[in-house]
Amino acid sequence: AQRVTQPEKLLSVFKGAPVELKCNYSYSGSPELFWYVQYSRQRLQLLLRHISRESIKGFTADLNKGETSFHLKKPFAQEEDSAMYYCALSGVDGNKLVFGAGTILRVKS
Amino acid sequence: DTAVSQTPKYLVTQMGNDKSIKCEQNLGHDTMYWYKQDSKKFLKIMFSYNNKELIINETVPNRFSPKSPDKAHLNLHINSLELGDSAVYFCASSQDAATDTQYFGPGTRLTVL
Repeated sequence: AQRVTQPEKLLSVFKGAPVELKCNYSYSGSPELFWYVQYSRQRLQLLLRHISRESIKGFTADLNKGETSFHLKKPFAQEEDSAMYYCALSGVDGNKLVFGAGTILRVKS
Repeated sequence: DTAVSQTPKYLVTQMGNDKSIKCEQNLGHDTMYWYKQDSKKFLKIMFSYNNKELIINETVPNRFSPKSPDKAHLNLHINSLELGDSAVYFCASSQDAATDTQYFGPGTRLTVL
């Protein structure tokens, strides 16, 4: 079974502080992992995917197969990062995304 | 210009009624999806269609019937609405596989009274 766990419902940090949004997964094969983000009054959109190994808006995420994690990190949070963040997993068939419960990130000034 | 559109944006109805939500994408994508976001913001896949063919049906009650008249449209019809159906329903599309970037609609907030 495919499962994604985001243990924090809400993460509140001060502007300029480092951010780490946790994501753990359960899947027996080789997954593809994603982070999707929903800013206030905007649509849910792709932030980044692990196979791209890219940094988007200063965010990075590394797939750690040993720890089955895909944590999202940013060294210095900005107020405009405040949003709902969803971690998602796809199995080898690529038929569907399984989403975590989401984490609300609040960046305070 | 809207890539994925849904109508209506809000839907308030009584228990037992039948209602439909429409979704259209103008991205030329082959695959479309319906997701349900519950009151705790948990987002769960309901259905996916590829070129008008049902690919995923995630143990959704058969009161929910998706219909894809063409690959640009995926409508969701719900019979005999129940209180527990109250949620935000999101439509999405992707080029082909679910691992391709998914583009989401604005959501339809369904409230069943």
